[in-house]
Amino acid sequence: NAGVTQTPKFRVLKTGQSMTLLCAQDMNHEYMYWYRQDPGMGLRLIHYSVGEGTTAKGEVPDGYNVSRLKKQNFLLGLESAAPSQTSVYFCASSSTGGRSGYTFGSGTRLTVV
Amino acid sequence: GNSVTQMEGPVTLSEEAFLTINCTYTATGYPSLFWYVQYPGEGLQLLLKATKADDKGSNKGFEATYRKETTSFHLEKGSVQVSDSAVYFCALTLQPGGYQKVTFGTGTKLQVIP
Repeated sequence: NAGVTQTPKFRVLKTGQSMTLLCAQDMNHEYMYWYRQDPGMGLRLIHYSVGEGTTAKGEVPDGYNVSRLKKQNFLLGLESAAPSQTSVYFCASSSTGGRSGYTFGSGTRLTVV
Repeated sequence: GNSVTQMEGPVTLSEEAFLTINCTYTATGYPSLFWYVQYPGEGLQLLLKATKADDKGSNKGFEATYRKETTSFHLEKGSVQVSDSAVYFCALTLQPGGYQKVTFGTGTKLQVIP
């Protein structure tokens, strides 16, 4: 009963490095989301997907790219990390557009130095 | 646009005290309302929800009633436990179908002391 699994859980990057965060869900959900959580800012939507092969921009998409090649996976990429991207990243999924509620992963804590 | 306003935290209560966390909203349509809980070091978990006026969502002793006339969805629990210490997020999404953005409040931290 895994739900939403995020890897890695922690990562430290140097400015300018790249990395990919992986999100996998086993609930056959159509919709998937990437959020970042920062103190005092709440949750902010980075990108989302309404189905396999689709992606769309959220509130704060700059500096990030995403892909949804398989229904169960949603990847978040940072091409050239910046200190402003230090945050906790959460992936979520839902069977409908949000009316049934989201299932969240446990998060990835990323520090860019 | 849509927005969710939660009371400022942190809220500190003694064990077995009564809890109220206020949440009010503005929405351009007819929203579904949610409470999520985030325990330390974890992701958010759906706690309860309500989809129409006067509905009461409930789970694990927590309750919230969808009040359309006051645009509120306050979270209550009659007797809190130390294990309820967490951050609580109020959220809304509009109906009907297809993708609808979920708007989250900024969260209210609850600390329960023995």
